[in-house]
Amino acid sequence: SQQGEEDPQALSIQEGENATMNCSYKTSINNLQWYRQNSGRGLVHLILIRSNEREKHSGRLRVTLDTSKKSSSLLITASRAADTASYFCATDAGGSNYKLTFGKGTLLTVNP
Amino acid sequence: DTEVTQTPKHLVMGMTNKKSLKCEQHMGHRAMYWYKQKAKKPPELMFVYSYEKLSINESVPSRFSPECPNSSLLNLHLHALQPEDSALYLCASSQEGRGYTFGSGTRLTVV
Repeated sequence: SQQGEEDPQALSIQEGENATMNCSYKTSINNLQWYRQNSGRGLVHLILIRSNEREKHSGRLRVTLDTSKKSSSLLITASRAADTASYFCATDAGGSNYKLTFGKGTLLTVNP
Repeated sequence: DTEVTQTPKHLVMGMTNKKSLKCEQHMGHRAMYWYKQKAKKPPELMFVYSYEKLSINESVPSRFSPECPNSSLLNLHLHALQPEDSALYLCASSQEGRGYTFGSGTRLTVV
């Protein structure tokens, strides 16, 4: 079953603009992760934010987490054509189950 | 070595064939996973191995049979698959509380 729900499902922007993607989830989490997937290839881990954290940065990426609203956002600043990919949020409920559940994803297109 | 290596990258098999997908990591990760991904959909968890023992089977049909020979290797044995099993099969590994490392996947076509 899907845990995270991203919106928008698709986003098209110009190079240099910022891109914001949102994720909502339903149950308690230990951490939330964001992944990028270029067309038909493996997923690349971008950033992990723990349930007791509210914001995290990595290069041009900024992730926020609001556990009271069960939501997260991923901001990519100064986007580049190479950022074109699908972005997925994934939730980890913690414990010994090692189970990561993915949302439906946002397809980001950055036009040169 | 910070990679998960999957072989083969592409596989075409008939419905009566038996084939295996292989996955290898040398990062010392104790959890390994198989995911299935259909086009334009998110990855769906199939199996989780923790410390070389199967800990999660997400009600996967028995025509998919996982195996973990040692802490670095994970196999997925395929037998009598259906055309609807055509998909990208992703292997991943992780340490608890950290991001997963995914392989580049095996694109499987069942004919």
